[in-house]
Amino acid sequence: NAGVTQTPKFRVLKTGQSMTLLCAQDMNHEYMYWYRQDPGMGLRLIHYSVGEGTTAKGEVPDGYNVSRLKKQNFLLGLESAAPSQTSVYFCASRTRLAGAQETQYFGPGTRLLVL
Amino acid sequence: QQQVKQSPQSLIVQKGGISIINCAYENTAFDYFPWYQQFPGKGPALLIAIRPDVSEKKEGRFTISFNKSAKQFSLHIMDSQPGDSATYFCAATPYSGGGADGLTFGKGTHLIIQP
Repeated sequence: NAGVTQTPKFRVLKTGQSMTLLCAQDMNHEYMYWYRQDPGMGLRLIHYSVGEGTTAKGEVPDGYNVSRLKKQNFLLGLESAAPSQTSVYFCASRTRLAGAQETQYFGPGTRLLVL
Repeated sequence: QQQVKQSPQSLIVQKGGISIINCAYENTAFDYFPWYQQFPGKGPALLIAIRPDVSEKKEGRFTISFNKSAKQFSLHIMDSQPGDSATYFCAATPYSGGGADGLTFGKGTHLIIQP
C-alpha cells in the first residue's frame, strides 16, 4: 500500500514549456486534490475532483488544468509555464465517507522550478 | 482574504517545554479543524484534528484546544522533543454533509526544539 505517490519528484522548466504532474493513490479514495506550497504562504488549493470525469476549481486555478480519467489518478497540467508557478505541488486524497475518515492523505510533493 | 490566521511564524522552545501554536478562522461554515506536521522534503501528515462539538482533544503529548465563540483553536505540544522540530499547519474545512471541499491552511509555524 503506497498511499499517494507523485511523479516526477523534481522538474526544471523554461518559461512557456508545458508539463503534466501525475498523482496516483491506491486507497480507492473518491476525492483528490492539488495544492501548491510557497514559502510563507501555507498550502493553497488549485483544483480538486470528486470522482472520475469531474473536476472543480480551488482557490488558485489560473494557469493550470486537471483531468481525472481514472479513479486512482489525478493529473495537473501546466500549458505554458511561468516563473510564478515555481512552487512545490502536493496531491492529496480522501474518502467521501464522513466521520473518522475525513483525513486528507498527502503525497511527497513535486518541486517545480520555472526559469 | 486569509480565512485561517496562524501565529507565530516561528517558535523556539527548549526540550521538555510546552509549544503553543494558535489559529483563528473567519468562516463559520468550517466544522473540521486538523493540524498537519511537515518535515523538510516531505508532504504534510495529519497530526490531530477536532470538531467544534468538543472544546479539547488530546492524543499523547499533543492537545487541541477549541474556542467556538472566539473562532480560535490552538495546538499544545507537551514535553517538546527535538524530533518535534518541523513546520506545523492548522487547517479548516466544512466537512458536514460529506462535501469535497479542500482544506484552507494557515501559513505555517516553523518549530525548533532546542536540546
